Amino acid sequence: EAGVTQFPSHSVIEKGQTVTLRCDPISGHDNLYWYRRVMGKEIKFLLHFVKESKQDESGMPNNRFLAERTGGTYSTLKVQPAELEDSGVYFCASSQVTGLAGGQYNEQFFGPGTRLTVL
Amino acid sequence: RKEVEQDPGPFNVPEGATVAFNCTYSNSASQSFFWYRQDCRKEPKLLMSVYSSGNEDGRFTAQLNRASQYISLLIRDSKLSDSATYLCVVNSADGGFKTIFGAGTRLFVKA
Repeated sequence: EAGVTQFPSHSVIEKGQTVTLRCDPISGHDNLYWYRRVMGKEIKFLLHFVKESKQDESGMPNNRFLAERTGGTYSTLKVQPAELEDSGVYFCASSQVTGLAGGQYNEQFFGPGTRLTVL
Repeated sequence: RKEVEQDPGPFNVPEGATVAFNCTYSNSASQSFFWYRQDCRKEPKLLMSVYSSGNEDGRFTAQLNRASQYISLLIRDSKLSDSATYLCVVNSADGGFKTIFGAGTRLFVKA
């Protein structure tokens, strides 16, 4: 079974430019998450999709970040315009189970990440 | 105070040693807990979920203490290949579903 895939693996752009990251979750996983790790810090949650709906986007830093998941399959995360502090590794994860009711465990599987460098 | 705290280490242990990591969490509404392993410049990989009764998977044992709000990971008979960063991850449903990562504990296993 294919895992979570992300594209591109690396992106180097200049401040003010636009970048779009893509994530393909594991087939059949309704839940898709975006995370970011900036240098020297822990991984931080950005947002969570259930199918095509945004369940929680409380972690999105500001309105320069736009995530979409049309059709509930792959997702894109666009940064426009990019700033220096947006540099980091952007991880996508997917899971089957939503929430925590009934003792369900939300085991998330991560993609390899996109390393974004804004110059 | 961070929501999930871990000793960053590094822990330097010889092959064959037993090593234990702890992780504390601040949100009493936290409901599920995991240990992930992350190799340098790679993605986190799920090592094991942590169940209330504690659970074991080969050389790895995870424990949960809800009263004290901490999770532990015990690695027995350490291998060189266990060298990695171990991330404590906590999910809560308090005000929305959230996944919080600890900063990780670095382990070096030496020959």
